Amino acid sequence: QQQVKQSPQSLIVQKGGISIINCAYENTAFDYFPWYQQFPGKGPALLIAIRPDVSEKKEGRFTISFNKSAKQFSLHIMDSQPGDSATYFCAPQETSGSRLTFGEGTQLTVNP
Amino acid sequence: DAGITQSPRHKVTETGTPVTLRCHQTENHRYMYWYRQDPGHGLRLIHYSYGVKDTDKGEVSDGYSVSRSKTEDFLLTLESATSSQTSVYFCAIRRQENTGELFFGEGSRLTVL
Repeated sequence: QQQVKQSPQSLIVQKGGISIINCAYENTAFDYFPWYQQFPGKGPALLIAIRPDVSEKKEGRFTISFNKSAKQFSLHIMDSQPGDSATYFCAPQETSGSRLTFGEGTQLTVNP
Repeated sequence: DAGITQSPRHKVTETGTPVTLRCHQTENHRYMYWYRQDPGHGLRLIHYSYGVKDTDKGEVSDGYSVSRSKTEDFLLTLESATSSQTSVYFCAIRRQENTGELFFGEGSRLTVL
């Protein structure tokens, strides 16, 4: 089952640049669209999430853009910093359901 | 992190031996999940629980069983460990049922020789 496709698998960005990670999904019943951030040796942690009634949400340097008709959403990291180097997962969900599945992850490296 | 404790954090075992990983929560949440993480595969759901004695399979449940006899503990058992089960295992709780937000433990690294 390939309900969630995340791209790219890896991304290298220079400090101060913009990092963009995309997530495409198939299930139109999804109604919660989060991004998780994971540092080496740690569990993933919720970074930012959006509901389908808005097209964009910004929290500091992190922005989610949501395109319902295209069934995709993306994470934008502005002014990327070396401390943002981590693995990022999208995990679109149907909140009325129980199963919660994740994309395959994007390894972001921000060079100083 | 406060809220979830996984044990053991590291384990090395031999093929064919049984292994049990424990996830303990202090927050009384209904939903608990076990994932495994492997390079190139992201996080894959093994089993999950939606209440005491209520569990269901995820996408990679073969070779694993779970039990939840009380709200705070969710056990993952490998009946006869194989080298393909070498992985990092994460437990998670769903803190708010009206969202899909998960809170993860620190992980248990299992090596099967």
